[in-house]
Amino acid sequence: EVQLLESGGGLVQPGGSLRLSCAASGFTFSSYATSWVRQAPGKGLEWVSVISGTGGSTYYADSVKGRFTISRDNSKNALYLQVNSLRAEDTAVYYCAKAGSTGWSKGNAFDIWGQGTMVTVSS
Amino acid sequence: QSALTQPASVSGSPGQSITISCTGTSSDVGGYNYVSWFQQHPGKAPKLMIYDVGERPSGVPDRFSGSKSGNTASLTISGLQAEDEADYYCCSYAGTYTWVFGGGTKLTVL
Repeated sequence: EVQLLESGGGLVQPGGSLRLSCAASGFTFSSYATSWVRQAPGKGLEWVSVISGTGGSTYYADSVKGRFTISRDNSKNALYLQVNSLRAEDTAVYYCAKAGSTGWSKGNAFDIWGQGTMVTVSS
Repeated sequence: QSALTQPASVSGSPGQSITISCTGTSSDVGGYNYVSWFQQHPGKAPKLMIYDVGERPSGVPDRFSGSKSGNTASLTISGLQAEDEADYYCCSYAGTYTWVFGGGTKLTVL
């Protein structure tokens, strides 16, 4: 069974940092681009970042560029999101999601989702 | 990267059909045949219902269908069932490996 399991969320002060993790199982992790998508409480979904299957290419939403860094360790079937300089508006559930086919899968970028990890930015 | 525009809410009775619209621009919805739709029940992760405008993943009932005309995509649910009550989000590829979501539509089954 294809599964994604996020961890690493928590309460952090403004300006602080966290490292989110996503453990993948049930598929050839290195073959699929994988993204982070977030959802603020009571709000809609927002794409955050994507990384290619090899890890060689990364892209970010303007709202997080320069503050967040996506990475992956294919030997560990793990995806990461380093979140720095956190702001109140970064408070959200952070989901990882895999593409539906190998390569970039532009029209099917979020095939399977994890259950999410909550990040709360507050003093 | 402005959010796509969806109606805040739609409703329908069991057995009826409803359509949710998703309006973007020529830089996203209108520029690519890469629209997807997601269903989200309260407290749950989103679930892919439609990809590539009108393709259904295995396991998704054929009551769900997608289409696109110009800068507007649509999700149609026919034969509404109580379990279809949820939030629905559209998403479009927006170029240079970026994606944009709609604001979401709350579907109420009366």
